[in-house]
Amino acid sequence: GESVGLHLPTLSVQEGDNSIINCAYSNSASDYFIWYKQESGKGPQFIIDIRSNMDKRQGQRVTVLLNKTVKHLSLQIAATQPGDSAVYFCADSGYSSASKIIFGSGTRLSIRP
Amino acid sequence: DTGVSQNPRHKITKRGQNVTFRCDPISEHNRLYWYRQTLGQGPEFLTYFQNEAQLEKSRLLSDRFSAERPKGSFSTLEIQRTEQGDSAMYLCASQSGTEAFFGQGTRLTVV
Repeated sequence: GESVGLHLPTLSVQEGDNSIINCAYSNSASDYFIWYKQESGKGPQFIIDIRSNMDKRQGQRVTVLLNKTVKHLSLQIAATQPGDSAVYFCADSGYSSASKIIFGSGTRLSIRP
Repeated sequence: DTGVSQNPRHKITKRGQNVTFRCDPISEHNRLYWYRQTLGQGPEFLTYFQNEAQLEKSRLLSDRFSAERPKGSFSTLEIQRTEQGDSAMYLCASQSGTEAFFGQGTRLTVV
């Protein structure tokens, strides 16, 4: 079956440090992956995506790395800020961005002052 | 505000009652998704529409659940004969292109 899973349910990071959130997926045919951020009381918010023909993609303060050999995905947040506190989900959209989105269980990121 | 509107934001109902939620997607977004999220878990896929056509339903969507998108714009999700296990956040998302935009959800509590 299809599944994505986060490695750690919680992560605590010092403000200003870099955060790395890891995720594994099982469907080797998956083509499109997305990272979402969910703050308390809100719906998930798109952060960054990556297709399987890429191994790295950068956004503003965020980088997603994809290792297809070991079916591993990571989200790196540079210079973590208090506003980054949230639950982060990796998601798999199967064969394309037009397929249903399957979410993992999430990692709660907390920031130490 | 993502532009996806869900109503009501909160709903408390007695077990056995029927409830209906509404989702207004971003205008002209042709894909619309419904998800269910319980505390500490990621959103679980329920169903999605391409315009007015319901293309896929999860096994989670029992016969007590029905979703419609009659004119390819807003969508409704109805739960009949609610059970305590239906208590969750129900999320709607709309998509055109690659990025899906989620609403703030409807939190259902069945007592």
